[in-house]
Amino acid sequence: DIQMTQSPSSLSASVGDRVIITCRASQSISSFLNWYQQKPGKAPKFLIYAASSLQSGVPSRFSGSGSGTDFTLTISSLQPEDIATYYCQQSYSTPTFGQGTKLEIK
Amino acid sequence: EVQLLESGGGLVQPGGSLRLSCAASGFTFSSSAMSWVRQVPGKGLEWVSGISGNGGSTYYADSVKGRFSISRDNSKNTLYLQMNSLRAEDTAVYYCAKDHYGSGSYIFDYWGQGTLVTVSS
Repeated sequence: DIQMTQSPSSLSASVGDRVIITCRASQSISSFLNWYQQKPGKAPKFLIYAASSLQSGVPSRFSGSGSGTDFTLTISSLQPEDIATYYCQQSYSTPTFGQGTKLEIK
Repeated sequence: EVQLLESGGGLVQPGGSLRLSCAASGFTFSSSAMSWVRQVPGKGLEWVSGISGNGGSTYYADSVKGRFSISRDNSKNTLYLQMNSLRAEDTAVYYCAKDHYGSGSYIFDYWGQGTLVTVSS
Protein backbone atom coordinates (compact mmCIF):
# COMPACT_ATOMS: atom_id res chain seq x y z
CA ASP A 1 0.00 0.00 0.00
CA ILE A 2 1.03 3.59 -0.61
CA GLN A 3 1.91 5.38 2.62
CA MET A 4 0.81 8.98 3.10
CA THR A 5 2.69 11.18 5.56
CA GLN A 6 1.42 14.58 6.64
CA SER A 7 3.33 17.34 8.36
CA PRO A 8 3.02 18.83 10.77
CA SER A 9 0.85 16.55 12.93
CA SER A 10 -0.48 19.61 14.72
CA LEU A 11 -0.37 23.30 14.04
CA SER A 12 -1.33 26.41 15.96
CA ALA A 13 -2.02 29.59 14.01
CA SER A 14 -3.77 32.93 14.39
CA VAL A 15 -6.87 34.13 12.61
CA GLY A 16 -5.80 35.65 9.31
CA ASP A 17 -2.61 33.60 9.04
CA ARG A 18 -1.61 31.70 5.96
CA VAL A 19 -1.51 28.01 6.81
CA ILE A 20 0.26 25.31 4.83
CA ILE A 21 -0.09 21.57 5.41
CA THR A 22 2.07 19.14 3.49
CA CYS A 23 1.44 15.57 2.42
CA ARG A 24 4.01 13.16 1.00
CA ALA A 25 3.32 9.88 -0.76
CA SER A 26 5.66 6.90 -0.52
CA GLN A 27 5.62 6.63 -4.33
CA SER A 28 4.42 8.76 -7.20
CA ILE A 29 0.63 9.14 -7.31
CA SER A 30 0.50 11.69 -10.15
CA SER A 31 -2.31 14.07 -9.10
CA PHE A 32 -4.52 11.48 -7.44
CA LEU A 33 -4.58 13.35 -4.15
CA ASN A 34 -7.60 14.55 -2.19
CA TRP A 35 -8.09 16.59 0.97
CA TYR A 36 -10.76 16.36 3.68
CA GLN A 37 -11.63 18.44 6.72
CA GLN A 38 -12.99 16.82 9.87
CA LYS A 39 -14.41 18.69 12.82
CA PRO A 40 -14.78 16.96 16.21
CA GLY A 41 -17.65 14.51 16.31
CA LYS A 42 -18.44 15.02 12.62
CA ALA A 43 -17.88 13.12 9.42
CA PRO A 44 -15.08 14.20 7.08
CA LYS A 45 -15.94 16.90 4.57
CA PHE A 46 -14.61 16.78 1.01
CA LEU A 47 -12.49 19.83 0.14
CA ILE A 48 -10.15 19.26 -2.80
CA TYR A 49 -9.67 16.54 -5.41
CA ALA A 50 -7.10 15.83 -8.07
CA ALA A 51 -4.58 17.78 -5.99
CA SER A 52 -5.90 21.22 -6.87
CA SER A 53 -9.60 21.13 -7.83
CA LEU A 54 -11.84 22.80 -5.28
CA GLN A 55 -15.07 20.99 -4.49
CA SER A 56 -18.18 23.08 -5.13
CA GLY A 57 -19.12 25.22 -2.16
CA VAL A 58 -15.69 25.14 -0.51
CA PRO A 59 -14.38 28.65 0.26
CA SER A 60 -11.76 29.95 -2.13
CA ARG A 61 -9.29 30.52 0.72
CA PHE A 62 -8.60 26.78 0.45
CA SER A 63 -6.25 25.65 -2.30
CA GLY A 64 -4.18 22.61 -3.14
CA SER A 65 -1.09 22.01 -5.20
CA GLY A 66 1.49 19.39 -6.04
CA SER A 67 2.02 16.28 -8.10
CA GLY A 68 4.07 13.13 -7.94
CA THR A 69 4.90 12.62 -4.27
CA ASP A 70 4.65 16.07 -2.67
CA PHE A 71 1.44 18.01 -2.08
CA THR A 72 0.25 20.99 -0.08
CA LEU A 73 -3.04 22.29 1.28
CA THR A 74 -3.05 26.04 1.82
CA ILE A 75 -5.51 28.17 3.73
CA SER A 76 -4.80 31.71 2.62
CA SER A 77 -6.38 33.48 5.59
CA LEU A 78 -7.30 31.28 8.54
CA GLN A 79 -10.84 31.67 9.87
CA PRO A 80 -12.16 30.42 13.24
CA GLU A 81 -14.43 27.92 11.46
CA ASP A 82 -11.37 26.29 9.85
CA ILE A 83 -10.35 24.71 13.15
CA ALA A 84 -10.39 21.00 12.37
CA THR A 85 -8.22 18.04 11.50
CA TYR A 86 -7.20 17.80 7.85
CA TYR A 87 -6.49 14.54 6.03
CA CYS A 88 -4.91 13.87 2.68
CA GLN A 89 -5.87 10.72 0.78
CA GLN A 90 -4.49 9.09 -2.34
CA SER A 91 -6.84 7.60 -4.92
CA TYR A 92 -4.10 6.29 -7.23
CA SER A 93 -4.52 2.77 -5.90
CA THR A 94 -6.19 1.12 -2.88
CA PRO A 95 -7.06 4.30 -1.00
CA THR A 96 -4.97 5.35 1.98
CA PHE A 97 -5.08 8.42 4.19
CA GLY A 98 -2.49 10.53 5.92
CA GLN A 99 -2.45 10.48 9.71
CA GLY A 100 -4.06 13.91 9.90
CA THR A 101 -3.02 17.45 10.83
CA LYS A 102 -4.83 19.03 13.76
CA LEU A 103 -5.21 22.76 13.28
CA GLU A 104 -5.78 24.95 16.32
CA ILE A 105 -6.19 28.65 16.95
CA LYS A 106 -3.29 30.39 18.68
CA GLU B 1 -29.59 16.97 -1.16
CA VAL B 2 -27.38 13.93 -0.79
CA GLN B 3 -27.98 12.06 2.45
CA LEU B 4 -26.31 8.94 3.80
CA LEU B 5 -27.60 7.42 7.03
CA GLU B 6 -25.77 4.52 8.65
CA SER B 7 -27.27 2.15 11.18
CA GLY B 8 -26.56 -1.20 12.77
CA GLY B 9 -23.61 -0.40 14.98
CA GLY B 10 -23.37 -1.52 18.58
CA LEU B 11 -21.54 -3.68 21.08
CA VAL B 12 -20.54 -7.17 19.97
CA GLN B 13 -18.30 -9.81 21.48
CA PRO B 14 -15.05 -10.89 19.82
CA GLY B 15 -15.80 -13.47 17.17
CA GLY B 16 -19.30 -12.15 16.70
CA SER B 17 -21.07 -10.67 13.70
CA LEU B 18 -22.80 -7.43 12.84
CA ARG B 19 -24.43 -5.99 9.71
CA LEU B 20 -24.23 -2.30 9.00
CA SER B 21 -26.63 -0.51 6.67
CA CYS B 22 -26.39 2.82 4.88
CA ALA B 23 -29.58 4.33 3.48
CA ALA B 24 -28.91 6.71 0.60
CA SER B 25 -31.01 9.48 -0.92
CA GLY B 26 -30.65 12.57 -3.07
CA PHE B 27 -28.68 10.98 -5.92
CA THR B 28 -28.92 8.09 -8.37
CA PHE B 29 -27.70 5.38 -6.03
CA SER B 30 -27.38 2.65 -8.66
CA SER B 31 -24.98 4.81 -10.67
CA SER B 32 -22.57 5.42 -7.83
CA ALA B 33 -19.80 3.26 -6.43
CA MET B 34 -19.80 3.30 -2.63
CA SER B 35 -17.30 2.60 0.11
CA TRP B 36 -17.04 1.98 3.82
CA VAL B 37 -14.35 3.90 5.72
CA ARG B 38 -13.66 3.45 9.41
CA GLN B 39 -12.05 5.52 12.13
CA VAL B 40 -10.85 4.35 15.50
CA PRO B 41 -12.02 7.08 17.93
CA GLY B 42 -9.33 9.74 18.14
CA LYS B 43 -7.34 8.17 15.30
CA GLY B 44 -7.08 8.38 11.52
CA LEU B 45 -9.19 7.12 8.63
CA GLU B 46 -8.95 3.66 7.06
CA TRP B 47 -10.71 2.58 3.87
CA VAL B 48 -12.39 -0.78 4.46
CA SER B 49 -14.31 -1.83 1.38
CA GLY B 50 -15.80 -0.61 -1.90
CA ILE B 51 -18.45 -1.74 -4.35
CA SER B 52 -19.35 -0.76 -7.91
CA GLY B 53 -22.70 0.77 -8.78
CA ASN B 54 -24.23 -2.46 -10.02
CA GLY B 55 -22.69 -4.49 -7.21
CA GLY B 56 -20.71 -6.65 -9.60
CA SER B 57 -17.30 -5.65 -8.30
CA THR B 58 -16.22 -5.57 -4.69
CA TYR B 59 -12.94 -4.60 -3.04
CA TYR B 60 -11.52 -5.03 0.45
CA ALA B 61 -8.66 -3.87 2.60
CA ASP B 62 -6.31 -6.69 3.55
CA SER B 63 -7.23 -6.14 7.21
CA VAL B 64 -10.83 -7.30 6.62
CA LYS B 65 -10.55 -9.57 3.60
CA GLY B 66 -12.30 -12.88 4.22
CA ARG B 67 -14.20 -11.54 7.24
CA PHE B 68 -16.23 -8.62 5.88
CA SER B 69 -18.61 -8.59 2.91
CA ILE B 70 -19.96 -5.51 1.16
CA SER B 71 -23.21 -5.57 -0.79
CA ARG B 72 -25.97 -3.27 -1.98
CA ASP B 73 -29.67 -3.35 -2.80
CA ASN B 74 -30.26 -0.75 -5.48
CA SER B 75 -34.04 -1.24 -5.26
CA LYS B 76 -33.83 -0.04 -1.64
CA ASN B 77 -31.01 2.51 -2.14
CA THR B 78 -29.12 0.78 0.65
CA LEU B 79 -25.50 -0.25 1.15
CA TYR B 80 -24.50 -3.01 3.55
CA LEU B 81 -21.42 -4.25 5.36
CA GLN B 82 -21.59 -7.73 6.84
CA MET B 83 -18.89 -8.09 9.46
CA ASN B 84 -17.98 -11.55 10.74
CA SER B 85 -15.27 -12.87 13.06
CA LEU B 86 -15.01 -9.47 14.64
CA ARG B 87 -11.88 -8.51 16.55
CA ALA B 88 -11.12 -5.83 19.12
CA GLU B 89 -9.15 -3.96 16.49
CA ASP B 90 -12.32 -3.60 14.39
CA THR B 91 -13.68 -1.21 17.00
CA ALA B 92 -14.29 2.06 15.16
CA VAL B 93 -16.82 4.47 13.76
CA TYR B 94 -17.87 3.17 10.35
CA TYR B 95 -18.78 5.68 7.65
CA CYS B 96 -20.36 5.01 4.30
CA ALA B 97 -19.09 7.29 1.56
CA LYS B 98 -20.24 8.11 -1.96
CA ASP B 99 -17.86 8.06 -4.89
CA HIS B 100 -17.37 11.48 -6.51
CA TYR B 101 -17.30 10.22 -10.09
CA GLY B 102 -19.57 7.26 -9.53
CA SER B 103 -17.21 4.83 -11.16
CA GLY B 104 -14.91 3.78 -8.36
CA SER B 105 -12.58 6.75 -8.36
CA TYR B 106 -12.06 6.40 -4.58
CA ILE B 107 -12.75 10.10 -4.16
CA PHE B 108 -15.34 10.43 -1.42
CA ASP B 109 -17.57 13.46 -1.83
CA TYR B 110 -20.33 12.69 0.67
CA TRP B 111 -20.13 10.85 3.97
CA GLY B 112 -22.70 9.58 6.41
CA GLN B 113 -22.65 10.54 10.08
CA GLY B 114 -21.10 7.23 11.07
CA THR B 115 -22.10 4.32 13.29
CA LEU B 116 -19.97 3.08 16.18
CA VAL B 117 -18.98 -0.57 16.36
CA THR B 118 -17.47 -1.73 19.64
CA VAL B 119 -15.95 -5.21 19.85
CA SER B 120 -15.46 -6.17 23.46
CA SER B 121 -16.25 -8.95 25.92
